[in-house]
Amino acid sequence: GAVVSQHPSRVICKSGTSVKIECRSLDFQATTMFWYRQFPKQSLMLMATSNEGSKATYEQGVEKDKFLINHASLTLSTLTVTSAHPEDSSFYICSASGRPTEAFFGQGTRLTVV
Amino acid sequence: GQNIDQPTEMTATEGAIVQINCTYQTSGFNGLFWYQQHAGEAPTFLSYNVLDGLEEKGRFSSFLSRSKGYSYLLLKELQMKDSASYLCAVRDSNYQLIWGAGTKLIIKP
Repeated sequence: GAVVSQHPSRVICKSGTSVKIECRSLDFQATTMFWYRQFPKQSLMLMATSNEGSKATYEQGVEKDKFLINHASLTLSTLTVTSAHPEDSSFYICSASGRPTEAFFGQGTRLTVV
Repeated sequence: GQNIDQPTEMTATEGAIVQINCTYQTSGFNGLFWYQQHAGEAPTFLSYNVLDGLEEKGRFSSFLSRSKGYSYLLLKELQMKDSASYLCAVRDSNYQLIWGAGTKLIIKP
């Protein structure tokens, strides 16, 4: 199947700093990328949808200025958590889709803000 | 509102068969997905159904009935490594994925 690479897999940062998470589709062009957040023992919560070359569409309740999403090319999207706080600690997962029948996930990034 | 229902937890025995049900109410329908997620890892794609009927893929099969808003994932010849959460997701009319809360499957020897 298609490969979606997400980096880093784990990151620990200090409160107040920013963290960038990259999501790359390695062998297909991802017209749409999705960013999810998952709390322990809960399902995925969609944060935003990004289409290449256009602004991301954020879900209700997700702060645009805090979670900056850039989808500059058909193979790369980034999520930057700005001015991170301990409550931002979570598992962040990207998903890339090039065709309607498929949606492949990156490995996920476990963010811990101390 | 949009809603995906699946059981919270199920237990089955190694070598047996288990069926995980999913019912949905969404604004539009453009396909139903099943994913497997092991603890601490990202979900992995298992199956996709857009037409009614059964899709078989090795030990895993997925069934869809659009008129009933119902799907199930059937796992045969259960192995210990099948212990995981199984997520049902429906793509709605806006092509957004609506996720169920997941079913935690526990396999016992």
